[in-house]
Amino acid sequence: EAGVAQSPRYKIIEKRQSVAFWCNPISGHATLYWYQQILGQGPKLLIQFQNNGVVDDSQLPKDRFSAERLKGVDSTLKIQPAKLEDSAVYLCASSSNRNEQFFGPGTRLTVL
Amino acid sequence: RKEVEQDPGPFNVPEGATVAFNCTYSNSASQSFFWYRQDCRKEPKLLMSVYSSGNEDGRFTAQLNRASQYISLLIRDSKLSDSATYLCVVTRGSYIPTFGRGTSLIVHP
Repeated sequence: EAGVAQSPRYKIIEKRQSVAFWCNPISGHATLYWYQQILGQGPKLLIQFQNNGVVDDSQLPKDRFSAERLKGVDSTLKIQPAKLEDSAVYLCASSSNRNEQFFGPGTRLTVL
Repeated sequence: RKEVEQDPGPFNVPEGATVAFNCTYSNSASQSFFWYRQDCRKEPKLLMSVYSSGNEDGRFTAQLNRASQYISLLIRDSKLSDSATYLCVVTRGSYIPTFGRGTSLIVHP
């Protein structure tokens, strides 16, 4: 079974630029999560989708971050404009049963 | 008070030792509980779910205390390969997860 795919794996941008991350969950998984993980901290949930509807986005900085999951499959997370403090690993995860989450390898973002 | 709190450690133990981690949560309506393991520069992976009656998987034992709002993870006979960060996860509402900051374990020869 193919795992959660994410791209790109690494991205370096300058502050105030825009960036987008892509996630392809495990086939058939209805729930998709985006997390931000800053070095030395646990993953922080940014947004949770159930199919193509948003379950929770209370910690998503909506002035600069946006996410969509069209057709309830792939998802993209965008940051516009980026700030220095956005430097982190962005993890995507999916789940079929609201229990075990399967994570992708993450995208390591560096904002200069 | 943070929603999920963990002692970051690091816990530095010799091979063969028994080590225990605790995780406290603030929301008494929390639904489900998990321990994830994260190796350095890798993604988190599920170690085990935590059930009300407690559960065991080989050398790992997880327990839940709803009255005191904490969960625990016990690792017996530690191996070098157990060195990792252990993340506590608690869900609320529509199974919305919150991760703790993780506890770092270093097992040395």
